[in-house]
Amino acid sequence: TQLLEQSPQFLSIQEGENLTVYCNSSSVFSSLQWYRQEPGEGPVLLVTVVTGGEVKKLKRLTFQFGDARKDSSLHITAAQTGDTGLYLCAGEDYGGATNKLIFGTGTLLAVQP
Amino acid sequence: DTEVTQTPKHLVMGMTNKKSLKCEQHMGHRAMYWYKQKAKKPPELMFVYSYEKLSINESVPSRFSPECPNSSLLNLHLHALQPEDSALYLCASRHIGTGGAYGYTFGSGTRLTVV
Repeated sequence: TQLLEQSPQFLSIQEGENLTVYCNSSSVFSSLQWYRQEPGEGPVLLVTVVTGGEVKKLKRLTFQFGDARKDSSLHITAAQTGDTGLYLCAGEDYGGATNKLIFGTGTLLAVQP
Repeated sequence: DTEVTQTPKHLVMGMTNKKSLKCEQHMGHRAMYWYKQKAKKPPELMFVYSYEKLSINESVPSRFSPECPNSSLLNLHLHALQPEDSALYLCASRHIGTGGAYGYTFGSGTRLTVV
């Protein structure tokens, strides 16, 4: 069974602070995706990383894929209240037409004004 | 159109009822998925359809019956559900291609309550 553990599970910070969320697995994935989910909504894709060691930046968000393609991190600089939500990493196994996405345990982020 | 549309948004059903959840996308995605999400938990994969054929069933009980009538539609037929089946049911779709990873597009889900 492929498991992705995220840490921390919960994070409450003040606006303007920086934070890092970690996603770790014992399995190798073909790609690692990060999603943000708000209450009552579906997850929304933030980024996909494919190459070991890859770093992608999306405005204040920086994503990194581990060299061995087993772990990833999400760093947010100067958090804003709009960043509040459930952050999910998800590992994908390539099976061609039968790819499946396995979600991590989730990190619930609350940014206080 | 870059959306996955799920209907209904909310559903309350009795344990003896039969109901269906519907999912529609017009992005030309040929992989479609059903996920189940309990409160404060990550989504769990239920079924995968590729080119309108069921390719993965994650040992889901037979009271859940998926159907993919065409490349734009995905249904989930529900019968004799239990209260523990109450959850947010999410549909997702993805482009099938080579040479890279493609992100999944999720619908907003159907909030199901079994009474």
